[in-house]
Amino acid sequence: EAGVTQSPTHLIKTRGQQATLRCSPISGHTSVYWYQQALGLGLQFLLWYDEGEERNRGNFPPRFSGRQFPNYSSELNVNALELEDSALYLCASRPGHTRSYEQYFGPGTRLTVT
Amino acid sequence: AQKITQTQPGMFVQEKEAVTLDCTYDTSDPSYGLFWYKQPSSGEMIFLIYQGSYDQQNATEGRYSLNFQKARKSANLVISASQLGDSAMYFCAMREGYNQGGKLIFGQGTELSVKP
Repeated sequence: EAGVTQSPTHLIKTRGQQATLRCSPISGHTSVYWYQQALGLGLQFLLWYDEGEERNRGNFPPRFSGRQFPNYSSELNVNALELEDSALYLCASRPGHTRSYEQYFGPGTRLTVT
Repeated sequence: AQKITQTQPGMFVQEKEAVTLDCTYDTSDPSYGLFWYKQPSSGEMIFLIYQGSYDQQNATEGRYSLNFQKARKSANLVISASQLGDSAMYFCAMREGYNQGGKLIFGQGTELSVKP
């Protein structure tokens, strides 16, 4: 069974630009979570998508947004990039509507803003 | 507010010995779940073990066991017979209530180094 996949592996952008990160969940998983792991700040919850809808978001500004497609893959968009957005962005998936709470993570996208 | 605390930034253990990684949590929600994840230098988060707040017995998964002490709000990870491949960052995490979608709150992590 294929795991969670993320693309690209690395992304280098300039301050003020936009970044788009992509995630494909495990087959059969309908919930997708995004987390930011910035140096010194640990993992912070960003967004939760389920059945195509944004269900919850963490304490991040609106320039962090995303969407979930009908095939349950997801995209994270970061607009007006700032230097402090440099981080590892991790996507995780989970089966929806079950009592299985484990989240399975992808390898991450490392975003560098210069 | 929910909170996870890992007080050991770094730990060393000799190969083949057991090691305990500490985790304490704080929540007012009676229903919660606790996780441990391993993050090698490659960056991927690997799920290790899960303990639900209503589970009567401590969770075990192979060489991993979770020492769950509910009254003390602790959920320590015990790794038996350490291997060199166990060297990594270890994160304790707590799931918020189901209505919140099960988002995870992570501790700051413990870096484990296994010595040959």
